[in-house]
Amino acid sequence: QSALTQPPSASGSPGQSVTISCTGASSDVGTYNYVSWYQQHPGKAPKLMIYEVTKRPSGVPDRFSGSKSGNTASLTVSGLQAEDEADYYCSSYAGSNNFVFGTGTKVTVV
Amino acid sequence: QVQLVESGGGVVQPGRSLRLSCAASGFTFSNNPMHWVRQAPGQGLEWVALISYDGNNKHYADSVKGRFTISRDNSKNTLYLQMNSLRAEDTAVYYCAREPVSSTTFDYWGQGTLVTVSS
Repeated sequence: QSALTQPPSASGSPGQSVTISCTGASSDVGTYNYVSWYQQHPGKAPKLMIYEVTKRPSGVPDRFSGSKSGNTASLTVSGLQAEDEADYYCSSYAGSNNFVFGTGTKVTVV
Repeated sequence: QVQLVESGGGVVQPGRSLRLSCAASGFTFSNNPMHWVRQAPGQGLEWVALISYDGNNKHYADSVKGRFTISRDNSKNTLYLQMNSLRAEDTAVYYCAREPVSSTTFDYWGQGTLVTVSS
């Protein structure tokens, strides 16, 4: 199972929006609405930010939103804040009890 | 509150074995499927293994199939990962992660334990 493709980096100024793409295949992102997004600060464990493409767990700000079109999912962070600077990973269910993660995107707040 | 605490990491020689543990608290452990996910130094996340809520079904990434075994003891609220025939490329931080009952995602993660395979 190949990793999902994400851009290595993305950036934005405070208050701006940044969108991260996550490109998979018809066997994973394209078929299943089990796409999730995780935020990881250096030296810390990943934190769930979005699940089932668009849903936000309790406590996650509504500045974070997700979407999907075909084999590509996206995470948008609106109203960027300094604390949003982190690595972001997507994941997808890939069928037959297999799971795949994205390559990761480093978001910088400039 | 949900807590997952991994232990058992360390430095091990290639070809040797190691067993990781993940102690769970703050939820009914026996209700949830559980996973192991790893992250090599400076690299991305890689799914490793899944075990069903009752331990009867187990699934593995191709990279560890036949070498790693996931298990659980619901009476002790503990998840395990037995790692045999370790290779240098198994060097990583190993996280345990909970799958919620009603969805397919990883909603809570432990802090991770570092496994270094080196001679």
